[in-house]
Amino acid sequence: GQNIDQPTEMTATEGAIVQINCTYQTSGFNGLFWYQQHAGEAPTFLSYNVLDGLEEKGRFSSFLSRSKGYSYLLLKELQMKDSASYLCAVSMDSNYQLIWGAGTKLIIKP
Amino acid sequence: DTEVTQTPKHLVMGMTNKKSLKCEQHMGHRAMYWYKQKAKKPPELMFVYSYEKLSINESVPSRFSPECPNSSLLNLHLHALQPEDSALYLCASSQELTASYQPQHFGDGTRLSIL
Repeated sequence: GQNIDQPTEMTATEGAIVQINCTYQTSGFNGLFWYQQHAGEAPTFLSYNVLDGLEEKGRFSSFLSRSKGYSYLLLKELQMKDSASYLCAVSMDSNYQLIWGAGTKLIIKP
Repeated sequence: DTEVTQTPKHLVMGMTNKKSLKCEQHMGHRAMYWYKQKAKKPPELMFVYSYEKLSINESVPSRFSPECPNSSLLNLHLHALQPEDSALYLCASSQELTASYQPQHFGDGTRLSIL
């Protein structure tokens, strides 16, 4: 079976740094996506990792370790608008469907 | 604003009604998707179209009927829905079905309520 685990909810302070973890056990792997979804809105693409290591994009960075089945999303200099759900999704190499994690709701406090 | 446009944004319908959800993208993407999303859950894939042909049907009940009239448009026809079908319906597109490194771009969704 396919399984992706993320924490259900996290709380952080404005201006701080937060790391959202994602672990996966899937029968295939072709890359891992991170999406941000504000309540009632569409998921928006944040990052894609296929090779091990860190990908940096402004305040957001994403890390992947394929051998450990592990990824994290790092958000720096948190802003109130970063309050959202963050979903990780694994792209399978068999049919390119996405296997989604349940999402992590991030609450930012002043 | 997203580059994938969905209409209507909200829809309330009775169990005997027939309605359609519409999705449009002008990014030249050749793969288009329908997802269903319940509150606090990830999106669930329903259908995938590649080059206007249905590629994947995730065992969706026949009361949901997809249609891809051309490369820019995707419809989801609804008939005799059940209250448990109330959800956010998301349309997405990507460059190619086989280009797994390309992200899917989502519309803002249609929030559907079945009375």
